Amino acid sequence: GEQVEQLPSILRVQERSSASINCTYENSASNYFPWYKQEPGENPKLIIDIRSNMERKQIQGLIVLLDKKAKRFSLHITDTQPADSAMYFCAASRPNTDKVVFGTGTRLQVSP
Amino acid sequence: EAAVTQSPRNKVAVTGGKVTLSCNQTNNHNNMYWYRQDTGHGLRLIHYSYGAGSTEKGDIPDGYKASRPSQENFSLILELATPSQTSVYFCASGDRLGGPTQYFGPGTRLLVL
Repeated sequence: GEQVEQLPSILRVQERSSASINCTYENSASNYFPWYKQEPGENPKLIIDIRSNMERKQIQGLIVLLDKKAKRFSLHITDTQPADSAMYFCAASRPNTDKVVFGTGTRLQVSP
Repeated sequence: EAAVTQSPRNKVAVTGGKVTLSCNQTNNHNNMYWYRQDTGHGLRLIHYSYGAGSTEKGDIPDGYKASRPSQENFSLILELATPSQTSVYFCASGDRLGGPTQYFGPGTRLLVL
């Protein structure tokens, strides 16, 4: 089946530095790539997404890059704050379906 | 943002017992999904539905059934619960117009003893 690999599984950064999470997908026909943030005890919440007709998208301090040739996409969080500490999941759409496949998650820890 | 609710929020069941997890969404989304979340596995799709009366198997359907009696409601049924089904279960809803962006409920924590 289709898989999404997400790395790293744990990421520790200092406050005000940048954090980067990388994902790779298998099916070149995937065309939608959402990112979810999950805080402890909470549900995953969509924070940003990108479609295959774009290479870069930014919402405030969140930047998503998509490299279709390499089948790779990434989330970059600039100027991190302790409030950014959470689990982050990437996902890629399954072609011709309304389903996505999720990565295994990255636990981001931002230290003051 | 879609309003998705789940009940119960916490459940303790015995091995061999029947468990029903319920999900309700109020945004008239066609699609609904059931996932389980386990450490090291992320979110894995159990069953999904494209509308009332339809259910489809996801990636890990064994041991689970699903029911979509209406646009708003989607249930996950464990006929014979086993300890391996101890997990956190999330329901989500969405539609193709959104991406397919999915909006998650608050989750149900299930412990099977």
